[in-house]
Amino acid sequence: KQEVTQIPAALSVPEGENLVLNCSFTDSAIYNLQWFRQDPGKGLTSLLLIQSSQREQTSGRLNASLDKSSGRSTLYIAASQPGDSATYLCAVAGDSGAGSYQLTFGKGTKLSVIP
Amino acid sequence: DAGITQSPRHKVTETGTPVTLRCHQTENHRYMYWYRQDPGHGLRLIHYSYGVKDTDKGEVSDGYSVSRSKTEDFLLTLESATSSQTSVYFCAISERGLAGYTDTQYFGPGTRLTVL
Repeated sequence: KQEVTQIPAALSVPEGENLVLNCSFTDSAIYNLQWFRQDPGKGLTSLLLIQSSQREQTSGRLNASLDKSSGRSTLYIAASQPGDSATYLCAVAGDSGAGSYQLTFGKGTKLSVIP
Repeated sequence: DAGITQSPRHKVTETGTPVTLRCHQTENHRYMYWYRQDPGHGLRLIHYSYGVKDTDKGEVSDGYSVSRSKTEDFLLTLESATSSQTSVYFCAISERGLAGYTDTQYFGPGTRLTVL
Protein backbone atom coordinates (compact mmCIF):
# COMPACT_ATOMS: atom_id res chain seq x y z
CA LYS A 1 0.00 0.00 0.00
CA GLN A 2 1.34 3.40 -1.02
CA GLU A 3 2.15 5.75 1.83
CA VAL A 4 3.01 9.41 1.40
CA THR A 5 4.75 11.43 4.10
CA GLN A 6 5.23 15.18 4.20
CA ILE A 7 7.73 16.88 6.44
CA PRO A 8 7.46 19.27 8.17
CA ALA A 9 3.78 19.30 9.15
CA ALA A 10 3.96 23.06 9.65
CA LEU A 11 6.42 25.75 8.69
CA SER A 12 6.61 29.45 9.47
CA VAL A 13 9.00 31.69 7.56
CA PRO A 14 9.56 35.42 7.12
CA GLU A 15 8.52 37.02 3.85
CA GLY A 16 11.14 36.83 1.11
CA GLU A 17 12.74 33.62 2.29
CA ASN A 18 13.27 30.68 -0.05
CA LEU A 19 11.88 27.42 1.30
CA VAL A 20 11.65 23.71 0.58
CA LEU A 21 8.79 21.35 1.32
CA ASN A 22 9.48 17.63 1.37
CA CYS A 23 7.44 14.64 0.26
CA SER A 24 8.39 10.97 0.38
CA PHE A 25 6.53 7.91 -0.88
CA THR A 26 7.01 4.19 -0.33
CA ASP A 27 6.13 2.65 -3.72
CA SER A 28 8.11 3.93 -6.71
CA ALA A 29 5.60 2.49 -9.23
CA ILE A 30 3.88 5.81 -9.83
CA TYR A 31 2.52 7.52 -12.95
CA ASN A 32 3.04 11.03 -11.71
CA LEU A 33 3.41 13.17 -8.62
CA GLN A 34 1.39 16.29 -8.04
CA TRP A 35 1.61 19.21 -5.68
CA PHE A 36 -1.61 20.92 -4.63
CA ARG A 37 -2.40 23.98 -2.62
CA GLN A 38 -5.36 24.18 -0.25
CA ASP A 39 -6.56 27.41 1.31
CA PRO A 40 -8.64 27.23 4.51
CA GLY A 41 -12.20 26.10 3.82
CA LYS A 42 -11.51 25.65 0.14
CA GLY A 43 -10.86 22.87 -2.33
CA LEU A 44 -7.52 21.87 -3.78
CA THR A 45 -5.74 23.67 -6.58
CA SER A 46 -3.17 21.84 -8.68
CA LEU A 47 0.21 23.60 -8.72
CA LEU A 48 2.56 21.26 -10.53
CA LEU A 49 2.45 17.78 -12.02
CA ILE A 50 5.63 15.78 -12.66
CA GLN A 51 5.38 12.72 -14.84
CA SER A 52 7.27 9.65 -13.65
CA SER A 53 9.80 10.08 -16.48
CA GLN A 54 10.54 13.68 -15.56
CA ARG A 55 12.93 15.10 -12.96
CA GLU A 56 11.39 18.50 -12.36
CA GLN A 57 8.74 21.02 -13.29
CA THR A 58 8.69 24.77 -12.85
CA SER A 59 5.89 27.30 -12.67
CA GLY A 60 6.79 30.85 -11.77
CA ARG A 61 8.37 30.88 -8.31
CA LEU A 62 7.64 27.19 -7.81
CA ASN A 63 9.94 24.33 -8.72
CA ALA A 64 9.17 20.70 -7.99
CA SER A 65 11.65 17.87 -8.32
CA LEU A 66 11.12 14.13 -8.41
CA ASP A 67 13.54 11.31 -7.61
CA LYS A 68 11.38 8.28 -8.21
CA SER A 69 14.02 5.72 -7.34
CA SER A 70 14.49 7.15 -3.86
CA GLY A 71 10.81 7.96 -3.40
CA ARG A 72 11.28 11.67 -2.84
CA SER A 73 9.99 14.96 -4.14
CA THR A 74 10.63 18.53 -3.08
CA LEU A 75 8.68 21.71 -3.71
CA TYR A 76 10.88 24.80 -3.77
CA ILE A 77 9.22 28.18 -3.30
CA ALA A 78 11.37 31.18 -4.11
CA ALA A 79 10.99 34.59 -2.51
CA SER A 80 8.00 33.60 -0.39
CA GLN A 81 5.07 36.00 -0.01
CA PRO A 82 2.24 36.21 2.55
CA GLY A 83 -0.13 35.08 -0.21
CA ASP A 84 1.74 31.76 -0.32
CA SER A 85 0.34 30.91 3.13
CA ALA A 86 -1.70 27.74 2.69
CA THR A 87 -1.48 24.00 3.14
CA TYR A 88 0.56 22.24 0.48
CA LEU A 89 -0.34 18.67 -0.37
CA CYS A 90 1.72 16.11 -2.22
CA ALA A 91 -0.06 13.29 -4.05
CA VAL A 92 1.22 10.34 -6.05
CA ALA A 93 -0.76 8.68 -8.81
CA GLY A 94 -0.87 4.89 -8.99
CA ASP A 95 -2.97 2.35 -10.84
CA SER A 96 -6.53 2.02 -9.49
CA GLY A 97 -7.17 -1.06 -11.64
CA ALA A 98 -9.97 0.27 -13.86
CA GLY A 99 -8.12 2.35 -16.42
CA SER A 100 -7.89 5.27 -14.07
CA TYR A 101 -5.37 6.36 -11.53
CA GLN A 102 -5.72 6.73 -7.83
CA LEU A 103 -4.15 9.60 -5.96
CA THR A 104 -2.60 8.89 -2.57
CA PHE A 105 -2.14 12.07 -0.57
CA GLY A 106 0.22 13.12 2.14
CA LYS A 107 -1.20 14.94 5.17
CA GLY A 108 0.20 18.25 4.01
CA THR A 109 2.54 20.98 5.17
CA LYS A 110 0.88 24.10 6.56
CA LEU A 111 2.93 27.10 5.48
CA SER A 112 2.72 30.51 7.11
CA VAL A 113 4.66 33.39 5.55
CA ILE A 114 5.05 36.23 8.01
CA PRO A 115 5.10 39.80 6.58
CA ASP B 1 -11.35 27.06 -12.53
CA ALA B 2 -12.91 23.78 -13.58
CA GLY B 3 -16.70 23.85 -13.48
CA ILE B 4 -17.39 21.66 -10.46
CA THR B 5 -20.10 22.32 -7.93
CA GLN B 6 -21.03 20.37 -4.85
CA SER B 7 -24.30 20.43 -3.00
CA PRO B 8 -25.07 20.96 -0.26
CA ARG B 9 -22.01 22.86 0.93
CA HIS B 10 -22.86 22.28 4.57
CA LYS B 11 -25.11 19.70 6.20
CA VAL B 12 -25.88 18.65 9.74
CA THR B 13 -27.73 15.40 10.19
CA GLU B 14 -28.46 12.79 12.82
CA THR B 15 -27.05 9.30 13.18
CA GLY B 16 -29.01 6.75 11.21
CA THR B 17 -30.42 9.09 8.59
CA PRO B 18 -29.64 8.73 4.88
CA VAL B 19 -27.61 11.47 3.24
CA THR B 20 -26.88 12.14 -0.43
CA LEU B 21 -24.18 14.50 -1.63
CA ARG B 22 -24.13 15.69 -5.21
CA CYS B 23 -21.24 16.56 -7.47
CA HIS B 24 -21.98 18.31 -10.75
CA GLN B 25 -19.46 19.09 -13.49
CA THR B 26 -19.73 21.11 -16.68
CA GLU B 27 -16.42 19.92 -18.17
CA ASN B 28 -17.68 16.65 -19.70
CA HIS B 29 -14.78 14.79 -18.02
CA ARG B 30 -15.02 11.03 -17.97
CA TYR B 31 -13.58 10.35 -14.51
CA MET B 32 -15.10 11.49 -11.24
CA TYR B 33 -13.95 10.85 -7.68
CA TRP B 34 -15.20 11.24 -4.11
CA TYR B 35 -12.71 11.88 -1.30
CA ARG B 36 -13.05 12.58 2.39
CA GLN B 37 -10.64 14.77 4.30
CA ASP B 38 -10.07 14.30 8.00
CA PRO B 39 -7.49 15.77 10.38
CA GLY B 40 -4.61 13.36 10.79
CA HIS B 41 -5.58 11.32 7.74
CA GLY B 42 -5.41 13.68 4.82
CA LEU B 43 -7.54 13.00 1.76
CA ARG B 44 -8.69 9.45 1.16
CA LEU B 45 -10.51 8.07 -1.87
CA ILE B 46 -14.02 6.72 -1.21
CA HIS B 47 -15.30 5.75 -4.68
CA TYR B 48 -14.62 6.76 -8.23
CA SER B 49 -16.33 6.52 -11.61
CA TYR B 50 -14.77 5.88 -14.99
CA GLY B 51 -17.96 6.42 -17.00
CA VAL B 52 -21.72 6.49 -16.79
CA LYS B 53 -22.85 3.59 -14.61
CA ASP B 54 -19.20 2.50 -14.14
CA THR B 55 -17.94 2.86 -10.59
CA ASP B 56 -15.39 1.23 -8.31
CA LYS B 57 -14.35 1.30 -4.68
CA GLY B 58 -11.55 3.32 -3.19
CA GLU B 59 -9.63 3.02 0.04
CA VAL B 60 -12.48 3.85 2.46
CA SER B 61 -15.68 2.72 0.72
CA ASP B 62 -17.43 0.95 3.62
CA GLY B 63 -20.71 2.68 4.49
CA TYR B 64 -20.86 4.60 1.21
CA SER B 65 -22.46 3.98 -2.16
CA VAL B 66 -22.31 5.98 -5.38
CA SER B 67 -24.25 6.36 -8.58
CA ARG B 68 -23.60 8.00 -11.90
CA SER B 69 -26.54 8.08 -14.32
CA LYS B 70 -25.27 11.05 -16.32
CA THR B 71 -21.78 12.20 -17.27
CA GLU B 72 -22.17 15.41 -15.32
CA ASP B 73 -23.48 14.07 -12.00
CA PHE B 74 -21.87 11.81 -9.40
CA LEU B 75 -23.83 11.10 -6.23
CA LEU B 76 -22.42 9.89 -2.92
CA THR B 77 -24.89 8.27 -0.53
CA LEU B 78 -24.50 7.44 3.13
CA GLU B 79 -27.30 4.92 3.64
CA SER B 80 -27.29 5.31 7.42
CA ALA B 81 -24.98 8.08 8.59
CA THR B 82 -22.68 7.51 11.56
CA SER B 83 -20.63 9.97 13.59
CA SER B 84 -17.45 8.53 12.06
CA GLN B 85 -18.63 9.88 8.71
CA THR B 86 -18.39 13.46 9.94
CA SER B 87 -15.90 14.90 7.51
CA VAL B 88 -15.31 17.24 4.60
CA TYR B 89 -16.15 15.57 1.31
CA PHE B 90 -14.51 16.58 -1.94
CA CYS B 91 -15.45 15.68 -5.46
CA ALA B 92 -12.81 15.67 -8.19
CA ILE B 93 -12.79 15.15 -11.94
CA SER B 94 -10.19 14.22 -14.51
CA GLU B 95 -10.28 13.93 -18.26
CA ARG B 96 -8.23 10.98 -19.42
CA GLY B 97 -7.17 8.85 -16.45
CA LEU B 98 -4.28 6.55 -17.32
CA ALA B 99 -4.53 7.48 -20.99
CA GLY B 100 -2.92 10.82 -20.21
CA TYR B 101 -0.08 10.83 -17.73
CA THR B 102 -0.20 14.61 -17.59
CA ASP B 103 -3.76 14.41 -16.40
CA THR B 104 -4.51 16.18 -13.17
CA GLN B 105 -7.56 16.08 -10.97
CA TYR B 106 -9.65 19.19 -10.44
CA PHE B 107 -11.40 19.53 -7.12
CA GLY B 108 -14.74 20.96 -6.10
CA PRO B 109 -15.20 23.31 -3.12
CA GLY B 110 -16.17 20.56 -0.68
CA THR B 111 -19.15 19.66 1.50
CA ARG B 112 -18.82 19.82 5.25
CA LEU B 113 -20.95 17.07 6.79
CA THR B 114 -21.62 16.79 10.51
CA VAL B 115 -23.35 13.68 11.86
CA LEU B 116 -24.66 14.14 15.40
